[in-house]
Amino acid sequence: EDKVVQSPLSLVVHEGDTVTLNCSYEVTNFRSLLWYKQEKKAPTFLFMLTSSGIEKKSGRLSSILDKKELFSILNITATQTGDSAVYLCAVGSGTYKYIFGTGTRLKVLA
Amino acid sequence: DVKVTQSSRYLVKRTGEKVFLECVQDMDHENMFWYRQDPGLGLRLIYFSYDVKMKEKGDIPEGYSVSREKKERFSLILESASTNQTSMYLCASSLLFLGEQYFGPGTRLTVT
Repeated sequence: EDKVVQSPLSLVVHEGDTVTLNCSYEVTNFRSLLWYKQEKKAPTFLFMLTSSGIEKKSGRLSSILDKKELFSILNITATQTGDSAVYLCAVGSGTYKYIFGTGTRLKVLA
Repeated sequence: DVKVTQSSRYLVKRTGEKVFLECVQDMDHENMFWYRQDPGLGLRLIYFSYDVKMKEKGDIPEGYSVSREKKERFSLILESASTNQTSMYLCASSLLFLGEQYFGPGTRLTVT
């Protein structure tokens, strides 16, 4: 059975800290891995990863995929209170299906 | 800027009622999806559509149906609402099948 596991489930840090969020997966026919940020409402897209070892960066956020060990990490440096959210990982499997993890809830304290 | 809108943010319905959740996207995307999101279970795919009048079951289609009469609109129908359908419902659209999905703001449905 396909599955996506995110860790930790939740995390509390102080502003300025660096955090690493993990996403491991077991899926048949891996196609892509996506990271989303979900605040009060709609998940918003962060990164899409398809190849191992290529880091994607956007400001203080970065992500990398390891297709051999079947995981991805999302790093956030110099965290701010606005980074507080649930971070979702989704893995594309087969022709149409995304399997979502349950998310990591990040709280950044001022 | 892609926009996906959903007809209601909050909805309260009674057991046995027929419920319609509407989703509209303005980017001419072929693919549209309905998910439900529950604590500890993540997002689960209910139905998806890759073209007008085309629909496919996702992982949890029981108790739901969908309609896609126009490209921009994808409706989720609860034929006879039950309390275990109380959830957050999220609609999404995408240009590519396994590309970036754009989500609507969600409808929090409570069935009493």
